Amino acid sequence: DIQMTQSPSSLSASVGDRVTIPCRASQNISNYLNWYQQKPGKAPKLLIYAASSLQSGVPSRFSGSGSGTDFTLTISSLQPEDFATYYCQQSYITPYTFGQGTKLEIK
Amino acid sequence: QLQLQESGPGLVKPSETLSLTCTVSGGSISSSSYYWGWIRQPPGKGLEWIGSIYYSGSTYYNPSLKSRVTISVDTSKNQFSLKLSSVTAADTAVYYCARLYYDILTAYDYWGQGTLVTVSS
Repeated sequence: DIQMTQSPSSLSASVGDRVTIPCRASQNISNYLNWYQQKPGKAPKLLIYAASSLQSGVPSRFSGSGSGTDFTLTISSLQPEDFATYYCQQSYITPYTFGQGTKLEIK
Repeated sequence: QLQLQESGPGLVKPSETLSLTCTVSGGSISSSSYYWGWIRQPPGKGLEWIGSIYYSGSTYYNPSLKSRVTISVDTSKNQFSLKLSSVTAADTAVYYCARLYYDILTAYDYWGQGTLVTVSS
């Protein structure tokens, strides 16, 4: 299985900050990398697919980059509604695997 | 607007079989562009992919669960289902059904709200 590593598991930031959340794959997954946002008690929401494509309806302050094994989710200017847990997921090969998540907390 | 809704028992006894159904509305489960999947999340933990099915019945399973999992589809009802046998407390989780937009996104773009299944006697 491909292992997806997200570190740190939590991150503190303030409204208006620029934040980057990293994700690393245990092997080359090309650009088959997706990012999801999850709020407590809710289903995950797709933000970014194919490493850098913004899902319809997602604010443009979210962006993704990377290819191969190293990827980054960037939020350009944090808004109050962005405090949540973020998961990366590889869709290169089954079993599709998720990172353990990075919880974005208010500083 | 596409909607997915999980249904099934919220409590299952150890060693028994967990059965859930996902009903798809607002779109056809028989579209060639999509796979339909199950993902679970133990309380306070991360997401685990269980498996996916195509409308034709072709399936992919997580090897860690493969011996206990069956995913099936009923196109006449626009539903797909999950069966997980010989459950233990480790199978306690919120179970989500979701749509994989295979040929464009290769990502899960629509999710059900999730249903908590507790394994306990």
